[in-house]
Amino acid sequence: IVMTQSPVTLSVSPGERATLSCRASQSVDSDLAWYQQKPGQAPRLLIYESSTRAAGIPARFNGGGSGTDFTLTISGLQSEDFGIYYCQQYNEWPTFGPGTKVHIK
Amino acid sequence: QVQMVESGGGLVKPGGSLRLSCVASGIRFDSYYMAWIRQAPGKGPEWIAYINSRADNIHYGDSVKGRFSVSRDNGKNALYLQMHSLRVDDTAIYFCAGGEWRRYPHLWGQGTPVTVSS
Repeated sequence: IVMTQSPVTLSVSPGERATLSCRASQSVDSDLAWYQQKPGQAPRLLIYESSTRAAGIPARFNGGGSGTDFTLTISGLQSEDFGIYYCQQYNEWPTFGPGTKVHIK
Repeated sequence: QVQMVESGGGLVKPGGSLRLSCVASGIRFDSYYMAWIRQAPGKGPEWIAYINSRADNIHYGDSVKGRFSVSRDNGKNALYLQMHSLRVDDTAIYFCAGGEWRRYPHLWGQGTPVTVSS
């Protein structure tokens, strides 16, 4: 299953909302996770089952969607939210998208 | 404190072999599935191997099938990746990762770099 993400890059001012999109080449039901990665670090799990926040993840991170189209919304963006965001499906052999890079304005 | 530490990465020539290790602490290791996930420079991560808690369910990504082998030793809280016939496109940071249910791992090591070059 091929995952695509848009946009490639996103520049957002602190306090604003960021909306990231992820699309699967075939239906993955709700078997979709989101990760955040910062330079030199491993990815950090944010969301699983499309919309369930992982332990310790702030409420400003919200996921949604099912089938082939998914979104991650970051409300009230904070400076520590910069990084690359990846979606990953696990309906079949897991595959990641190419990522969306979030810049803080 | 939960920690996963990889080791064994380095520079190897094409066609060579390398063995990676990952040691976990602070978790009940034998309750976790484990995975090796790699990330080439500037690319998204790629799952390459999965092993369940009892090591009786193992799967590989197509890019490494027949060349890589994953194993674990629950008595040592350790995960291994034996890599043979290495190619230039195997160059990446290799992460060990683990989870308790479905394949969205929440525990990750810091990664170990593997460079395949002549």
